[in-house]
Amino acid sequence: DIQMTQSPASLSASVGETVTITCRASENIYSYLAWYQQKQGKSPQLLVYNAKTLAEGVPSRFSGSGSGTQFSLKINSLQPEDFGSYYCQHHYGTPYTFGGGTKLEIK
Amino acid sequence: QIQLVQSGPELKKPGETVKISCKASGYTFTNYGMNWVKQAPGKGLKWMGWINTYTGEPTYADDFKGRFAFSLETSASTAYLQINNLKNEDTATYFCARGRGNLDYWGQGTTLTVSS
Repeated sequence: DIQMTQSPASLSASVGETVTITCRASENIYSYLAWYQQKQGKSPQLLVYNAKTLAEGVPSRFSGSGSGTQFSLKINSLQPEDFGSYYCQHHYGTPYTFGGGTKLEIK
Repeated sequence: QIQLVQSGPELKKPGETVKISCKASGYTFTNYGMNWVKQAPGKGLKWMGWINTYTGEPTYADDFKGRFAFSLETSASTAYLQINNLKNEDTATYFCARGRGNLDYWGQGTTLTVSS
């Protein structure tokens, strides 16, 4: 099975800052990677798919990049509503493994 | 609008069986696969598997083979997750999520508590 390693596990940042979350796959997954945001007590929401395509309605301050085994999610000019947990997930064949998650907190 | 509405919270004893439903609306049910995702308390997301809503064929991740079963009631646009012989470690929130790969719509989650 493909393993997804996400870093950092937690991150503290202020409103207006720019942050980057990284995700590494244990083997080549081409661009079959998605990013999700989950707020406390809510269901996850798709942010990015195919590594760099923003899902419908996602603000342009979010951007995804990478291919192969190294990926990143960048959030420019953090807004209060951006705080929560973020997960990467590959979709290059089953099982669709998630990364361990990154908890983004307010500094 | 597209919605996935799951059944309510469950409290079960070890050894019992639970069946969680996920009712889809706003799209053609059989055009998209349905996935199930587990989130234990305070933990991350774990993909359990998916069911092909056109053929009814399920695919299970290794950790979810044996006691877990996905099924459909296509006429009602509803997917089901059944867990047999419940264990304490099945305590979690279970999400259904639409998609074949990336998961674009999610249910609100069903919290299952297994306790004697």
